[in-house]
Parts: sequence; C-alpha cells; structure tokens
Amino acid sequence: EAGVAQSPRYKIIEKRQSVAFWCNPISGHATLYWYQQILGQGPKLLIQFQNNGVVDDSQLPKDRFSAERLKGVDSTLKIQPAKLEDSAVYLCASSLASGFGYTFGSGTRLTVV
Amino acid sequence: GENVEQHPSTLSVQEGDSAVIKCTYSDSASNYFPWYKQELGKRPQLIIDIRSNVGEKKDQRIAVTLNKTAKHFSLHITETQPEDSAVYFCAARNTGNQFYFGTGTSLTVIP
Repeated sequence: EAGVAQSPRYKIIEKRQSVAFWCNPISGHATLYWYQQILGQGPKLLIQFQNNGVVDDSQLPKDRFSAERLKGVDSTLKIQPAKLEDSAVYLCASSLASGFGYTFGSGTRLTVV
Repeated sequence: GENVEQHPSTLSVQEGDSAVIKCTYSDSASNYFPWYKQELGKRPQLIIDIRSNVGEKKDQRIAVTLNKTAKHFSLHITETQPEDSAVYFCAARNTGNQFYFGTGTSLTVIP
C-alpha cells in the first residue's frame, strides 16, 4: 500500500514568515495526526483529526499554528508567523481508526532562521 | 494527561549481546503500547506493540513485556546486529486514544 505522503521534505524560512505543510494519509485511514519532533526528542502530538473533525488540539499553539482536513482526506498544517523554536521535523501519521498503530510519513524538516 | 518516561537515553552494546529499553507510564488506564524505531533522517517505524491484556509478545529477536501493576513496559532485542542501531521510542495510548511518546533511546551496536 502507498505510504503517508508529505511535502515539502525540507523548508527553510526566516522568522516571522509563514509556512504550510501538506499531508496525504494512507487511503481509507480515518484518523490523521500531526506531530512535532524537535531534534533529540520524541514526537509531540499537535493535533488529531477523525475524518474532517478535530479530536484533540490541546497541544497546538493556536496563536500561530492552524490545521485543517477538508473532506476528511488531505491535511495542511500552517505556521504564521514562525519562530526560531518552531525548527523541527513535522510528522504526519495516519491510522485506520483512532488508537490503532500509526504509519508515519517521512516528515518535513523546518528550519527557521 | 499521560506521561511516558524512557530509559536509558543512550545505550551501546556489542554485536550479539542483548539490549533492553524500559518505559514507564502514568495513566493506569492506558491500554496499548507500541515501539518505534527511527533511523537517522527517517520516519519512525512501528516494530512491535502490546495491548494491556497481554504480558509479553515476541517477534523473532524482538520482544516486549508489560507490567500493568508497575506501569512499565520494556523492549528486548536479542542477538543485536549493527543494523539495529537507531533511536527507539516507546509510546502509550491513553483512554482518549492519544499517543504519548517517550524521549527516545539511541542504541548503538558495536561490530
């Protein structure tokens, strides 16, 4: 089966600029997650979607981060404006249903300078 | 919320020896515990998982044990090989169906 697709693979922006990441989950996977992985740390959940509805966004910095999953398939994560501490790998993952094991995408490595 | 702690943060073993990584969790209602392997620059890959109604699960050289009473679970890798070198993450799923990850263990297998 095709994996979780993410783009871009790398992005370098200046602080205060905006950036958007895209994720296409495995076909049929109802649950989609965005994680932030800072170098040397474990992934931290930012937001969880079930179809096109938000299940949990308690750790999403809503003053600058936003995410949507229109039509319950693809999802975008946006940061506006970016800060230096946002430098991290942003991982998208999907699962057949909430709570099942994930499949991760390759991630987008963001560097904010 | 759930809190997952993972030890050690780094681990070096000789090829052929065993490696053990331990995790503890705080939410006694957590019921699913996957382990992920992440090679440098690559995505985390699920390698084994265990549910709360099982005490041990084995897949070839990899095994996971769960002690629900003590709220800890461990990953055991036997007959380690250089290609086992990677960062390993444990995770726990809470009753809200969210996964919380440990901070990772960097395993180095020395040939």
